[in-house]
Amino acid sequence: AQTVTQSQPEMSVQEAETVTLSCTYDTSESDYYLFWYKQPPSRQMILVIRQEAYKQQNATENRFSVNFQKAAKSFSLKISDSQLGDAAMYFCAVFRGTSYGKLTFGQGTILTVHP
Amino acid sequence: DAGITQSPRHKVTETGTPVTLRCHQTENHRYMYWYRQDPGHGLRLIHYSYGVKDTDKGEVSDGYSVSRSKTEDFLLTLESATSSQTSVYFCAIRPTGQGTEAFFGQGTRLTVV
Repeated sequence: AQTVTQSQPEMSVQEAETVTLSCTYDTSESDYYLFWYKQPPSRQMILVIRQEAYKQQNATENRFSVNFQKAAKSFSLKISDSQLGDAAMYFCAVFRGTSYGKLTFGQGTILTVHP
Repeated sequence: DAGITQSPRHKVTETGTPVTLRCHQTENHRYMYWYRQDPGHGLRLIHYSYGVKDTDKGEVSDGYSVSRSKTEDFLLTLESATSSQTSVYFCAIRPTGQGTEAFFGQGTRLTVV
């Protein structure tokens, strides 16, 4: 089985502040990949950041970084210097590293950014 | 533009009628997925495909069937639509390569009355 849990239905942050979105997952695979996607009101799905499970170093993309704790199966997203354009639904996802390609998402976290 | 098109974009149908949603890609990617998005549930995997005629069930496959007779098309069928299947449906595609990004269609809003 492969599951992803986002325990924070909603989060809010002040513009220019930092916020962390939580994600835990469960997979029996040893080889897998983790993703954070952003969905603005337009419903478009946008890749924010990805992490290979075999890499210990946390991924970073500009203001977005992750805290990957493999043993705890935790994959949180940190957004620094939050901007109004960061307001969206954020989804965590896990892809198992087999040839069958199952890609599982969490429930999502709605992020509100206050000016 | 990731070369993925969903049709129709909106549909209203009556309970008990069959409905087919189409996902078409121009990228020749191996993997294709159907998800449904509902408030509080996020994106839930319905079915996915890892090649022509190769499909597997996701977490919420009951009441849905799929077919992939050629690389570019992945069809999702609701054999007898129910009100619980009112949702926004997303198709996604992924190229081969384990860490590659999935690209999503714009979604189909289906209402079953």
